[in-house]
This record gives sequence, structure tokens and C-alpha cells, in this order.
Amino acid sequence: LAKTTQPISMDSYEGQEVNITCSHNNIATNDYITWYQQFPSQGPRFIIQGYKTKVTNEVASLFIPADRKSSTLSLPRVSLSDTAVYYCLVGGDTGRRALTFGSGTRLQVQP
Amino acid sequence: ETGVTQTPRHLVMGMTNKKSLKCEQHLGHNAMYWYKQSAKKPLELMFVYNFKEQTENNSVPSRFSPECPNSSHLFLHLHTLQPEDSALYLCASSQGGEGNTIYFGEGSWLTVV
Repeated sequence: LAKTTQPISMDSYEGQEVNITCSHNNIATNDYITWYQQFPSQGPRFIIQGYKTKVTNEVASLFIPADRKSSTLSLPRVSLSDTAVYYCLVGGDTGRRALTFGSGTRLQVQP
Repeated sequence: ETGVTQTPRHLVMGMTNKKSLKCEQHLGHNAMYWYKQSAKKPLELMFVYNFKEQTENNSVPSRFSPECPNSSHLFLHLHTLQPEDSALYLCASSQGGEGNTIYFGEGSWLTVV
């Protein structure tokens, strides 16, 4: 399985931009990169998905360098409600990799 | 509202009881999954169903028995559980094969006493 590596935890303050980087050195040609957000006692929620370069939606941006061995989730102007665990998953249309969650990054936003 | 509904949200059962968790997805997906999340642990994939057929059993003990009567419904039958089985059980679905964006339900909190 393609292994992803993320920081265990991060701290930020309200209004700041937060960047969470995920390393996936063994990413395959057909793999997409997907980020999820999980609040306590709830199921993970899809945030954003990308294949290369940059993807932006109303919630976040995803930056993927040319070699695709890492990706960075960018959350603009975080608020207290962004306190959650963020997971990076890598996988393609088939196979278990995109179903395998790691430990994620616990983001704590302070007032 | 994620389009994946799980019931019950909370369940307390004794070790000799038999109970079931239910999941229904309203997204037209053809793949459904059960995950287990214990306290402060990563999500563990338990079972995978594609077009009603089980394609993955991640070495789950037989006291957990999944059932998928159609692509929209998934059950997890529970019997003779242990206290260490207490956890959040999450149902999810996706379109296409494994790997497409996964949509989760809110989960069922299970406490085994």
C-alpha cells in the first residue's frame, strides 16, 4: 500500500492560513490525492481531491508539485470550527490504498 | 447530511446479545464499506462490498457478520462481542471501484458491557 506521512499535530490561531503537507513518495501514475476532515464522533468528510498542480474549492486549496511525491492542503483564514483531524489518502480507481486512512494531522485552532 | 444514514447512532449491548447496525446510502453508489474507529486510533477498514459482493474482509473476527442485500443497504450483525469491540462503527459508500471519493455516515457508537 502506498504510505502517506503527515505531521501528527499542528496548532494555529483564528484567521491564519494553515498548510498541512502529506508525503507520498510511492504514489502511482493513476493515483489521486484526496483529503478528508474528521470532527470528533463523526465520520470523515471529503474536502478536496487532485491529481496534479493546484485545485481550489470553496473550502480549501490543494497544491501538488510536479513530482507528485507530496501534497499540501491549504486552509485559508481558519476558524475555531476548523479544529479537526485531517487525513491525506492516495489511490486510484481500484485497489485498497484510497480506502486506507493513516493517523492524520490533528489541527487545533486557538482563539 | 452526507447521503449515508446509519442507525442506531448509539447502542449498548451485553456480551451475550445479538444486535445489528444498519446503513443506507441515497447516493446511487455501488460500493459500501464498514470501518471501525477505536479511541485515538486510525480508522480500520473492516469490509468492502462492490455490487453487493464482498470483496474484502480485513481479518475481522467472525463475531462481526456483514450483510449487503443490495447496493443501497449494508448491515453489520453483532454477536458475542467483547468489551474491546466498543468503538465508533462507520459506514461509507463510493461510486465505481475502490478508491473513488468515499462518503461516510455519522457512525454508530457501540458500547459492549
